[in-house]
Amino acid sequence: EIVVTQSPATLSLSSGERVTLSCRTSQSVGGLLAWYQQRPGQAPRLLIYDTSNRATGIPARFSGSGSGTDFTLTISSLEPEDSAVYYCQQRFNWVTFGGGTKVEIK
Amino acid sequence: QLVESGGGLVQPGGSLRLSCVAYGFTFENYAMHWVRQAPGKGLEWVSAISRNSGSIGYVDSVKGRFTISRDNAKNSLYLQMNSLKPEDAALYYCATLSTTGDYWGQGTLVTVSS
Repeated sequence: EIVVTQSPATLSLSSGERVTLSCRTSQSVGGLLAWYQQRPGQAPRLLIYDTSNRATGIPARFSGSGSGTDFTLTISSLEPEDSAVYYCQQRFNWVTFGGGTKVEIK
Repeated sequence: QLVESGGGLVQPGGSLRLSCVAYGFTFENYAMHWVRQAPGKGLEWVSAISRNSGSIGYVDSVKGRFTISRDNAKNSLYLQMNSLKPEDAALYYCATLSTTGDYWGQGTLVTVSS
């Protein structure tokens, strides 16, 4: 089983700030790494797939990067509606989700 | 576009069968997944089934107890859950987890308690 670890667990930032979320996998996942956003009371939605590809309808302020076992989700300028929990997910060997990073707006 | 049903309260050791019906997209073109989320916790992948049911996978904690299946003629996905444990209590989502169409239901709640 591929273990997926996210950091930090929680971030508290102001609107307009740049946000960087980290995700590490226990072995290489061949770039098959996705990011999901889950707002309270809602199902998750896909933001980024295959490391750096934005899903349909996702704003350009969201971007993904990384390779091997280390990946990053960046929000270039935080908006109030970005308050949510963000999960990374590998699909190289079945599926594993990370534990999530909660982003709070000050 | 995905509607789950079948959740409820069950005693430890009991069984439930979850169902998920797809609307508005070509169900048979997608592998399908069950993902669960315990109250206040993160997402956990549970099981997946390929488009033609030829490939099936489970998280270790449910192997031998849960069985995933699908009926493409009925646009439906199922999860048979046996020998339920308190730690199986969660909101169960069906989802495509696909890069070409990421669809999720709103979930069905499973409570395991005596």
